[in-house]
Amino acid sequence: QSALTQPASVSGSPGQSITISCTGTSSDVGGYNYVSWYQQHPGKAPKLMIYDVSNRPSGVSNRFSGSKSGNTASLTISGLQAEDEADYYCSSYTSSSTLAVFGGGTKLTVL
Amino acid sequence: EVQLVQSGAEVKKPGESLKISCKGSGYSFTSYWIGWVRQMPGKGLEWMGIIYPGDSDTRYSPSFQGQVTISADKSISTAYLQWSSLKASDTAMYYCVRHRRDILTGSFDYWGQGTLVTVSS
Repeated sequence: QSALTQPASVSGSPGQSITISCTGTSSDVGGYNYVSWYQQHPGKAPKLMIYDVSNRPSGVSNRFSGSKSGNTASLTISGLQAEDEADYYCSSYTSSSTLAVFGGGTKLTVL
Repeated sequence: EVQLVQSGAEVKKPGESLKISCKGSGYSFTSYWIGWVRQMPGKGLEWMGIIYPGDSDTRYSPSFQGQVTISADKSISTAYLQWSSLKASDTAMYYCVRHRRDILTGSFDYWGQGTLVTVSS
């Protein structure tokens, strides 16, 4: 069982917006503004899409945005494109002896 | 350009030892933490541990403490992950990752291509 809880799957049509949630506790998501999101295409290494809750690394499309409320963080992808179809993982810094905890991953299907 | 290039796939038998590598380039290797992340077949990501090559400060996830050893040779900008006695349950893809900043926040901005380790009798 993963430390952070994500929906197993979400789907949307091209052009639509979708949101993926990531629920933790006050010891991780709720306690720090250190939530990250990663995109992983099949057979590829994950790619950092969002860090520190809502910041995009250079080169990441502004269609990707992040937010947080309480113990739940969210990744929103607007203007869905076929290339967005992938697995998405959230992670958070944690006050436990584990540096970072990941969510179980969400499979995004673009219909 | 920042790159993390990992060693190739390995097939080992239970009980054997193994050391895989990750060579960093395009940045100051001693100034960034380097970590390892496991992904078992069809499963999610798990953080294993991290090392600061500048002074070899190493931290482990409790789940992996005592199971693996993380090290680094800053003279050749290479980090390592090793096992002394592999188990079938160690079969997984292993990614080396660069931590984004000097303060540990759990965010990894560059990932290696992954090393697939298969342990089977």
